[in-house]
Formats: sequence, structure tokens, C-alpha cells
Amino acid sequence: SQQGEEDPQALSIQEGENATMNCSYKTSINNLQWYRQNSGRGLVHLILIRSNEREKHSGRLRVTLDTSKKSSSLLITASRAADTASYFCATSSGSARQLTFGSGTQLTVLP
Amino acid sequence: DAGVTQSPTHLIKTRGQHVTLRCSPISGHKSVSWYQQVLGQGPQFIFQYYEKEERGRGNFPDRFSARQFPNYSSELNVNALLLGDSALYLCASSLARWGGEETQYFGPGTRLLVL
Repeated sequence: SQQGEEDPQALSIQEGENATMNCSYKTSINNLQWYRQNSGRGLVHLILIRSNEREKHSGRLRVTLDTSKKSSSLLITASRAADTASYFCATSSGSARQLTFGSGTQLTVLP
Repeated sequence: DAGVTQSPTHLIKTRGQHVTLRCSPISGHKSVSWYQQVLGQGPQFIFQYYEKEERGRGNFPDRFSARQFPNYSSELNVNALLLGDSALYLCASSLARWGGEETQYFGPGTRLLVL
């Protein structure tokens, strides 16, 4: 079953604009991670935020986490055509030994 | 260093057949996890192995099995294939005993088509 739900399902923006994707989840978590997937191939880890953190930055990426609302957002600033991909949030909960992924946001950056 | 490698990259099988997928983790990683990704959905957890022992199992039928070898490589086996088993099968490795505690590094996947 999918733990997280990304919103929107699809997003199309112009190069240079910012892209914001949201993720909601159902149960308490240890951490939340964001991954990128190009053209149905392997996933690339972008960033991990732990349950006691509220915000994290990595290059053009900014992730926020609101555990009271069980939600997270991923902001990509100054987007590039190469950012075109599917983005997934994934949560780790309790003693579970796996990541539980959301359904993903398909981002298209138009040149 | 090489990343996670998987073989084969593509596979076509018919219903009822058996398939074996292979994964080699990043050097030094002792944890391997398997995920199934159906088109249009996020990956779903199948198994996690750490130090050759099964540490976690997702909600998949007994037709799915896996094992981890002394060199930490892993195989995923699926028996009696169904059309619904058509998917991208992803392998991920990590250092941690608990697969969700830190970054997991994914391989490129094996795309299985069942006819």
C-alpha cells in the first residue's frame, strides 16, 4: 500500500521557474526521503529529512517537514530541463525495515 | 566505485514461467532490498536482506522469494508468473541494518514483461 500521496500528480513549468511538490503521509515517521526517477529507470536519492527536523537544503533543493500535518514539500528552485522526471517521497516508520513510497509527481520543465 | 548493478535489464516471460533477477550492492553495503514498481505507481517493498538473513517482507504472495549470498549479492525469484507481475523490479542497497533508516541506493532496475 502507498503511505504517501504526492500533489500534484503532474506539474509543467517553464525553465527558470520554481517547482513545488507536496507529500502527505498517514502514520508517524522516522524520516522522509525524496527520490527522483528518470524515464522509469532507477531512483536517485535527493534528500533525507528526519522527524525532528523542519527544513533542509541541498543545492537548489529545499525540503520542509510538518509532522503535525503529516506533510512535506520539495521545492526545486531555478528549474532546468534536466529536472524533468518523476519525484517520489518515501517514509520510514517505526521498526519497519522498508521505505514506503508515494505515487509520485511527474515534473516537466519546458525549455 | 560502481553503483548497484542489476541483471538482466529487460526480460520477457510467459505466464506460468519462473524468473530470477540478480542484484549486486555497492561495495561495503550489507543490506539489500527489493521493490516492485508497476507502471504509473511508486515502488512497493518486497523484501529486505541484511547479512544473508531476511529482515523484512512486504505484502507479496509466496511465489516471490529471495536470498542473499555471502558476497551480499542477492537474487529475487518469482514462480508461476502472472500478467500482473509485469513491472520494473528495483534493487536497493544501504549500509544500515534497518533499510529505511538512511539513504538507499537504487540500481537501474529489471523490466519484466509477462505475456
